[in-house]
Amino acid sequence: GQNIDQPTEMTATEGAIVQINCTYQTSGFNGLFWYQQHAGEAPTFLSYNVLDGLEEKGRFSSFLSRSKGYSYLLLKELQMKDSASYLCAVVDSNYQLIWGAGTKLIIKP
Amino acid sequence: GAVVSQHPSWVICKSGTSVKIECRSLDFQATTMFWYRQFPKQSLMLMATSNEGSKATYEQGVEKDKFLINHASLTLSTLTVTSAHPEDSSFYICSAPRLALDSYEQYFGPGTRLTVT
Repeated sequence: GQNIDQPTEMTATEGAIVQINCTYQTSGFNGLFWYQQHAGEAPTFLSYNVLDGLEEKGRFSSFLSRSKGYSYLLLKELQMKDSASYLCAVVDSNYQLIWGAGTKLIIKP
Repeated sequence: GAVVSQHPSWVICKSGTSVKIECRSLDFQATTMFWYRQFPKQSLMLMATSNEGSKATYEQGVEKDKFLINHASLTLSTLTVTSAHPEDSSFYICSAPRLALDSYEQYFGPGTRLTVT
């Protein structure tokens, strides 16, 4: 079967750095998305990785290792507004998204 | 700016009535759109894949006669919840993929919050 694993909840301090991990087992791989979702709102796009390595975009970076079936989202200089759920999703061989359950990130002052 | 829109953003209806939700891609054509449902504090659940010019593909456990999907054009897909019941109250979200030569992007609509009384 297809499976995406990510931690259910994480807590971090304002101004710090946090890494949210995602491991996957899917039928085929055509890329991995990270989305941010605030309560009551639709997800918003953060990153898309299809090649191995680290991609940096401002305070957010995303890393992918296809051989390990592993990705992480790195958030730097955390702000209170970063409190949200972070969703990992893999594009499978049929170009369908396989979703993780999401990681709820709680930022404390 | 938003590239996928949904209408309405929220709707309250009485049990037994039908509700239509529209999903539009604003500046690109989408031969495929996805419809999701999300209950509070739960992950997105794919309901169906909407295909322009052909029948939608429904996920296991989703009643196709209850959730009618029509992908009438390359920029519009509609989801009609027929004979709605309180348990259908949920957040309904559509998304549309945009393929380019070297990228694949998936854009989400803002969602429609349905409350059935």
